[in-house]
Amino acid sequence: NAGVTQTPKFRVLKTGQSMTLLCAQDMNHEYMYWYRQDPGMGLRLIHYSVGEGTTAKGEVPDGYNVSRLKKQNFLLGLESAAPSQTSVYFCATASGGPDPNTGELFFGEGSRLTVL
Amino acid sequence: GQNIDQPTEMTATEGAIVQINCTYQTSGFNGLFWYQQHAGEAPTFLSYNVLDGLEEKGRFSSFLSRSKGYSYLLLKELQMKDSASYLCAVTDSNYQLIWGAGTKLIIKP
Repeated sequence: NAGVTQTPKFRVLKTGQSMTLLCAQDMNHEYMYWYRQDPGMGLRLIHYSVGEGTTAKGEVPDGYNVSRLKKQNFLLGLESAAPSQTSVYFCATASGGPDPNTGELFFGEGSRLTVL
Repeated sequence: GQNIDQPTEMTATEGAIVQINCTYQTSGFNGLFWYQQHAGEAPTFLSYNVLDGLEEKGRFSSFLSRSKGYSYLLLKELQMKDSASYLCAVTDSNYQLIWGAGTKLIIKP
């Protein structure tokens, strides 16, 4: 039982390159989230999904796109990477229910991205 | 604006007790979480408080006062493995989760 798996774990990009981060979960959770974590700051929500085929913007969505074609996968894309996107990215899932963000989040191990 | 305040760093001694405070100013309240995050790892869930009072779970306890916008995480019988960052997060009236910057706890022998 892998839980929440993120790939890749590490990546170095040049400014302007594109890439996709994959989050895969085997917990059958409805909700999935992409966060970024930067030193001295709280986790910031980039995009999230409340179910297969749905996505929504979070606090800092600019420069990122997402897709959730299958329930178990949530992809985060950077179309044209910028140095400001250097960060650690975490995927998280939650089982869902009538009220979001009232239950435990399960996090992936993180993906460390450096943009030069 | 919405804000969550935690001390940036705390130091404590192995075997002792430490209290990590969290104060919040949010638009409404639908619960408060504490997560533990070891360096280089993912956050893991510790506790959830939605009603006032103390929730105890082994060596860890979490307290909430909604009227004061205040919570604390109490760690007893500290062990070296408790060295980590502790993240406070609040769910607001729109069910958005607001995160504090975290408190880095250093345990000394």
